[in-house]
Amino acid sequence: EVQLVESGGGLVQPGRSLRLSCAASGFTLGNYAMHWVRQAPGKGLEWVSGINWNSGSIGYADSVKGRFTISRDNAKNSLYLQTSSLKTEDTALYYCAKEVGTTAGGRLEYWGQGTLVTVSS
Amino acid sequence: QSALTQPPSASGSPGQSVTISCTGASSDVGNYNYVSWYQQHPGKAPKLMIYEVSKRPSGVPDRFSGSKSGNTASLTVSGLQAEDEADYYCNSYAGSNTVVFGGGTKLTVL
Repeated sequence: EVQLVESGGGLVQPGRSLRLSCAASGFTLGNYAMHWVRQAPGKGLEWVSGINWNSGSIGYADSVKGRFTISRDNAKNSLYLQTSSLKTEDTALYYCAKEVGTTAGGRLEYWGQGTLVTVSS
Repeated sequence: QSALTQPPSASGSPGQSVTISCTGASSDVGNYNYVSWYQQHPGKAPKLMIYEVSKRPSGVPDRFSGSKSGNTASLTVSGLQAEDEADYYCNSYAGSNTVVFGGGTKLTVL
C-alpha cells in the first residue's frame, strides 16, 4: 500500500525557515517524480514544486522561487522541501504527492495527509 | 504562471450529468495532454480522478470522464450520486517543469 507521511510543519515567525519531510513507503521512490502542493485554510490547491525521478528536472511556483528548495533521497525513500524567508501568505497545509510516472507532469496519483505550516509573529 | 479558470460552483440532481470546465492557455492546457482532475471532500486529501485528459486511475468509476478542446478541458460526471458532492480541481503541466491548478469548483448534488 502506497503511503506518504509528511512532517516538519509547525508555527514559525515570518522570515524564518522550516524543513518539511515526506516519508514514502509501499513503492520505490526512485521510480517516480514527486511534488509538493499546498492549500491555505479555506482556499484552493496551489502547486509549489516538483522534482523528477533523478532530481535532474526541478520546477517551482513563482510564489516560492528563490525561497524554497525541493530535494529527494531515493535511498532513504524521502522527499524534502526546505523553506526559507517564510511569509504569512505561506501559511497552508503542505501535501506531498506522488506522480504517475518518472517525469513531473502534474499527474498526482497519491497524496499524503499534509503537514500544517503556520507563519505568524 | 496564471491559474486555470474553473466555475466556482456547479450542481445537478441525482442521476443527472454535470460538466465542469477548466480553461487555460496555449502555454498549458492547449499545449500538453497532461490535464488532471481531482476530487476533494472536506477535511480530506485530494483524490486523482482523471489524468492525461481522459485516463481513469484504477478504482475510479466510469461515470467520471474527461476531454479537452483547445485551451479548455472538461470533467463530466454522469449519473450523479450523493457522494460525488465535493470540490473538484483541474491542473495542467505548464512547461519548464511547472504545474498550474485551477481555482476549484464546488459540486452540489441537489
